Formats: sequence, C-alpha cells, structure tokens
Amino acid sequence: EVQLVESGGGLVQPGGSLRLSCAASGFTFSSYEMNWVRQAPGKGLEWVSYISSSGSTIYYADSVKGRFTISRDNAKNSLYLQMNSLRAEDTAVYYCARVSDAAEAFDIWGQGTMVTVSS
Amino acid sequence: QSALTQPASVSGSPGQSITISCTGTSSDVGSYNLVSWYQQHPGKAPKLMIYEVSKRPSGVSNRFSGSKSGNTASLTISGLQAEDEADYYCCSYAGSSTYVVFGGGTKLTVL
Repeated sequence: EVQLVESGGGLVQPGGSLRLSCAASGFTFSSYEMNWVRQAPGKGLEWVSYISSSGSTIYYADSVKGRFTISRDNAKNSLYLQMNSLRAEDTAVYYCARVSDAAEAFDIWGQGTMVTVSS
Repeated sequence: QSALTQPASVSGSPGQSITISCTGTSSDVGSYNLVSWYQQHPGKAPKLMIYEVSKRPSGVSNRFSGSKSGNTASLTISGLQAEDEADYYCCSYAGSSTYVVFGGGTKLTVL
C-alpha cells in the first residue's frame, strides 16, 4: 500500500524548534518530488515547501523562508522539515504530499501531524 | 503570492449539478494547464480529484469534471450525492520558486 506517515508534531514555545518526519512506503520514494503543506485550524491549505527527487532543487513559501529547511534521505525513504524560530502563526496540521507522475499535483497525502506554537 | 479566489460556500440538492470557480492571475491559472482540485472531509487529509485542469485520477467518479477559461478554473460536480459534502480546494502551478498556490477553499453543502 502506498503510504505517507508524518511524525514529530507537538507543542512548542514561540521561538522554539521542531523537526517533522514523513516516512514513505509502497512506492519508489527516490523517484518522486515531495512537499510539505499545512493547514491552520479552521483555515485552508497553504503550500510550505518543495524538494525534488534528488534533493537538488528546493523551494519555500515566503512565510517560512529562512526559518524552515526541507530535506530528504532517499536511503531511509524519509522526508523532513526542520522548523526554527517558530511563531504562533505556524500552528497548523502539517501534511507531507507526493507529487504525482503528472505535473504538479499532489496524489498521495499523509494523515498530518499537528504543530502548536504557544507559551 | 496571493491565494486563488474561490467562493466560500456553495450548495445543491441531491442529483443536481454545482460548479465551483477558482480565479487566479496570468501568472498562475492563466499561464499553465496545471490546475488541480482536492476534496477534504472534516478531519481527513485532502484527496486529489482533478489534475492538469480536467484529468481524473483512477478511482475518482466521472461525476467530477474540470475546465479552465483564461484566469479562471472550474470544478463541476454532477449528480450530487450526500458524500460529496466536503471542502474543495483548487491549486495552480505558479512557476519555479513560487511553485504552487492554493485557493481559499469552498465548503459544499448537499441540502
């Protein structure tokens, strides 16, 4: 079964750090581009970051640029998001999502992991 | 990059058809045939319903269809069913570095 499972969410104080992980299974992870997408409570979806299959190309939303770092380990079938200098507005469910074989559509999503930034 | 514009809510009765619009700019929707649509039920992850404007992934009902004209994309659901009640999001490629932008989402209510 094709699956993405996120972990690493939790409660963190403003200014703190957190590292999210996304474990992939059921497909050749190293062949796919990956993304992080978040959803604040009661709000819509917001794209956060993209990484190419090899990791050589990376993009960030302006809202997280300079604070978040996306990475991947193809040997471990895993995607990561290092989040530093966290703010209250980063509070959200964070999803990892696979880019489909067709261009720029997210065909597989994880169940999400909740990040709460609060003192 | 601003979010794509969707109506906050739409509604329809079982068996009817509804259309959700998604308005962007010449930098995103208008420049690329790379619009996708996602269905999200409460507490669940989004599900891909339409990609590349009008293509359906395997397993998605043919009651769902997509189209685009200029800077506006549309999702049409025909033969509305109770299980279609959900939030729907459009998404468009917006060039490298900006990558993609989502719409604000539309809540579909089946009356």
